[in-house]
Order: sequence, then structure tokens, then C-alpha cells
Amino acid sequence: QSVLNQPPSASGTPGQRVTISCSGSTSNIGSNYVYWYQHLPGTAPKLLIYRNDQRPSGVPDRFSGSKSGTSASLAISGLRSEDEAEYYCAAWGDSLSGFVEFGGGTKLTVL
Amino acid sequence: QVQLQESGPGLVKPSQTLSLTCSVSGGSITSGGYYWSWVRQLPGKGLEWIGFIYYSGTTYYNPSLNSRLAISLDTSNNQFSLRLTSVTAADTAVYYCARAWSYYYPSVGYSLPDAMDVWGLGTTVTVSS
Repeated sequence: QSVLNQPPSASGTPGQRVTISCSGSTSNIGSNYVYWYQHLPGTAPKLLIYRNDQRPSGVPDRFSGSKSGTSASLAISGLRSEDEAEYYCAAWGDSLSGFVEFGGGTKLTVL
Repeated sequence: QVQLQESGPGLVKPSQTLSLTCSVSGGSITSGGYYWSWVRQLPGKGLEWIGFIYYSGTTYYNPSLNSRLAISLDTSNNQFSLRLTSVTAADTAVYYCARAWSYYYPSVGYSLPDAMDVWGLGTTVTVSS
């Protein structure tokens, strides 16, 4: 069981805005940066958000991240069929002592 | 453009040692500014971080794997490797290598791995007799 808690599934229709949550504790999300990755089966995971709310070049601004206290969220606006994938949050665990925690992943379905 | 590619045996017997290599092209693993990482996905499960190595040789390991794990650099071939001993069926997974930025944390006074921005396509490893 992951230390970072994500809902196992989420869904939305094309054009809709969906939010995926990631809940942790003071020793991980509460004191460290949060990252979000998108993963489609059979492909390499893709970095979507780094340091809570920063987007790498090439990631559409439809994707946004936020953090408050011990929780973080990934929002996807203008949902598209190609957004159907697994989404993972990640953060350093135990206050930068040396290991990374991934959330359990959220399977996003575009209806 | 940096690219990573994993290689290694697809089948390993229980109790033996799993060895994987990540070949890096388009950039040097000793150029600094980056950590090199291993991540795996167990069947039907999410991603699990395995460990990082810096060009200096500094490593960070997942505590749950620490006693069986070694990550090393092969600078002459621009590769880095994973070695996991005493494997069981629970180590059956898709193994990914990735590049992570190095980010300076003023709160601790040194740099640590940051986002993993370049990933390999992964290699499937099955542990079975």
C-alpha cells in the first residue's frame, strides 16, 4: 500500500475538467515537492508537473498542479481522449532522508 | 536529445541475481547536473522507485530493497546498472531507467534528485524457475 494516496480511478467527458488528488503526510508532501507523471501502457512514463506546479516545456497548459498542506492535485482541463492514462504523484519521503514515494496511481478514463 | 535504453535478461531464476543495464545516448552520465534512476512497475501495480546514482557515485536506495540492491556507473560505456540479489517472484516487473535533474535544496545545503524527465521504454523481467 502506497504512502501517497490517490483515488484508483477518475473519469470525465471530452472538454471537461477533472482533478486527481494525492494525499500524504507532513514528512512527504507536507515538506517536499510533488511531481506528477502520466503513464500509458507499454510506453515510458512522462513527466507532467514538477515542484508542485511547474510544467516542463512541451506539456500543454491544460495540465496544472497545486499543493496545499499535505495534499496535492493534478487538474486536467479541456479533457481529450488521448489523456486516458494512469497518473502518478510522487514526492520525497521522510523529509528528504533519501527515498521517493509514488502514489498508487489513478486510472483516468475519458468517456 | 538524451535517450535511455534498458537491457538485460528477461528471465531470472529465484534466488539468483538480476542485472540490468541502462545505455545513455545523446549525453554523458558524468556531465553533472543529473542523477540516474531505476523505477519498476510490478504486475497490475503502480510505479515503485528503486534508486538513484549521481556521477560522483552517491546513491540513494529504496529502503525496502537496500539490502539486496546495488546501482553503479560504467563511465567508459556511458551506462549505469542495477544489481538486485536473491530475487523472488515478487521482483517480477517492468524495469525502467530514467534521468533525474539535480536540484539544490537550501534547507539541507546540498543537491538532491528532482524530476525524472527522460525515461527508457522499460524491460520486462520475470523471476521464475
